[in-house]
Amino acid sequence: DQQVKQNSPSLSVQEGRISILNCDYTNSMFDYFLWYKKYPAEGPTFLISISSIKDKNEDGRFTVFLNKSAKHLSLHIVPSQPGDSAVYFCAAYHNAGNMLTFGGGTRLMVKP
Amino acid sequence: DVKVTQSSRYLVKRTGEKVFLECVQDMDHENMFWYRQDPGLGLRLIYFSYDVKMKEKGDIPEGYSVSREKKERFSLILESASTNQTSMYLCASRRAPNQPQHFGDGTRLSIL
Repeated sequence: DQQVKQNSPSLSVQEGRISILNCDYTNSMFDYFLWYKKYPAEGPTFLISISSIKDKNEDGRFTVFLNKSAKHLSLHIVPSQPGDSAVYFCAAYHNAGNMLTFGGGTRLMVKP
Repeated sequence: DVKVTQSSRYLVKRTGEKVFLECVQDMDHENMFWYRQDPGLGLRLIYFSYDVKMKEKGDIPEGYSVSREKKERFSLILESASTNQTSMYLCASRRAPNQPQHFGDGTRLSIL
């Protein structure tokens, strides 16, 4: 039973437009959420995070939104660039911040 | 910059063999983790260690064991490799709970 779900396995966006990646979770004990980006043949790299006490966190072109009542978070990338093409993983902490649960990932393709 | 180094990028072993995957981090992090990544399933936690000689089971520990004799090194052991353990294995470390985890580049392990 996947507690963190990314329902879109892939997403294609034109360069310069907005990319929106979605993530749903079922465990109400999750209290800290992270997004990771992964290029082929490399490990995931941390992108941005949000605590459950906030509903928005912004870092340059990347913004994460959290809707606790809907158990939903999203990552917005504006404007999208070809270098953003990668697999994006949503992840959530529970168990006093010890265990991180990942979603299945969304492959983003940004076309020039 | 945090550096997490996994000893092998690619490894091919036979069923029944004992397999060791090594991971070293250079940032004096307390916590270290082993994940496996499979298509559509994201990253699943096998084991983690919050201190030297301490370990805790993750979501899928069956068929695996770990060793943490020194703070910087965390080893994953496949006691008797099986074909369903063919996967990408990722090691990570972090300084404290609820902090981002930093990943190595992964070991792609094939069991024939």
